[in-house]
Amino acid sequence: QQQVKQSPQSLIVQKGGISIINCAYENTAFDYFPWYQQFPGKGPALLIAIRPDVSEKKEGRFTISFNKSAKQFSLHIMDSQPGDSATYFCAASKGNNNDMRFGAGTRLTVKP
Amino acid sequence: ETGVTQSPTHLIKTRGQQVTLRCSSQSGHNTVSWYQQALGQGPQFIFQYYREEENGRGNFPPRFSGLQFPNYSSELNVNALELDDSALYLCASSPSGAANYGYTFGSGTRLTVV
Repeated sequence: QQQVKQSPQSLIVQKGGISIINCAYENTAFDYFPWYQQFPGKGPALLIAIRPDVSEKKEGRFTISFNKSAKQFSLHIMDSQPGDSATYFCAASKGNNNDMRFGAGTRLTVKP
Repeated sequence: ETGVTQSPTHLIKTRGQQVTLRCSSQSGHNTVSWYQQALGQGPQFIFQYYREEENGRGNFPPRFSGLQFPNYSSELNVNALELDDSALYLCASSPSGAANYGYTFGSGTRLTVV
């Protein structure tokens, strides 16, 4: 069922560094690409989302880069902080379809 | 404004039993979606309820069923539990039936089937 492939599975970054998580999708009908952040014992929380009519979206320290021709998108976390340590999921959905497909997740650890 | 609340938080059931999980949607949201998240995996879509009717279903067998009530709260029922049903069950509400309006997830119900 998975149509979104996410890498790496885990990532360790030093405080102040840049965290980069990548996702690739198969279905060209997808037109909404969110990133969710999940802390242990909590549900995923929407972090930032992009639509394919733009190549980049920035919100604070979080940036999504989108490459429509390559069917790839990535999350960049600038100036990573220990509080950013969590599992990050990319996802994709199409039009008014209610079935959002999630990647398998990336466990980010930011070391002080 | 309250978020999405789920109950119970944890549950242990025996194989073959039935279970009901509950979800109260965020204020102003009329749509509830249910997801299953196995350990170390991303959430997988089970089904969605909009205006008390099922509005789409993922690749899950009929023993997974649900309800939505007039106040937009929802239940997920699973019959004939199997060991592989052990997972975190997430409820997400949204202001419409489209996923691209963004979901608000609850903290989930951790179901263990023994």
